[in-house]
Amino acid sequence: GQQLNQSPQSMFIQEGEDVSMNCTSSSIFNTWLWYKQDPGEGPVLLIALYKAGELTSNGRLTAQFGITRKDSFLNISASIPSDVGIYFCAGRVVVTNNDMRFGAGTRLTVKP
Amino acid sequence: DSGVTQTPKHLITATGQRVTLRCSPRSGDLSVYWYQQSLDQGLQFLIQYYNGEERAKGNILERFSAQQFPDLHSELNLSSLELGDSALYFCASSVSYFPINVNTEAFFGQGTRLTVV
Repeated sequence: GQQLNQSPQSMFIQEGEDVSMNCTSSSIFNTWLWYKQDPGEGPVLLIALYKAGELTSNGRLTAQFGITRKDSFLNISASIPSDVGIYFCAGRVVVTNNDMRFGAGTRLTVKP
Repeated sequence: DSGVTQTPKHLITATGQRVTLRCSPRSGDLSVYWYQQSLDQGLQFLIQYYNGEERAKGNILERFSAQQFPDLHSELNLSSLELGDSALYFCASSVSYFPINVNTEAFFGQGTRLTVV
């Protein structure tokens, strides 16, 4: 099946620093999504991207859908302690259902 | 709170047993999805229902089955349980048949943690 390679696996940063993580695939996706998961909770959608080249922001978060449709990145600016969690990318090949492929996640730790 | 309710939150059972996980979607949502999250496999799509009908199937084992009832709640049945079935099982729901924009993407519940001993 379509594999998503998400990197880095984990990040330890200082409060106020910017963060960047990305996902790549050998397959083309029609939709890219970024989720955050806190302990004991389900994933929460942060940003959804539907067109190649699309750049979308949600507060301090910015994500882009790569031109080749095989990659996406998520940036978090001026990190704060509540940004701590696991961030997942997800790609969807077929737009007529919700069969998403998820990356393995990036675990973010923010030191005050 | 996403509005998607899953019960129970935790379940411990023995190998070979059968369990049923329940999901109530957000009010007005017609689509329900099930996902499995395990340490070694990550989040995997299992199955989708829309208004009572199976819509898409992912990596769902034959020992697992699901259904969506007329009141739109859904149940995931796991039988002949094995140690490797221990995982978090998430239900998600969305208003539409398929997502076309951010407002029609699915919302996830808090999950059911299944431990098979």
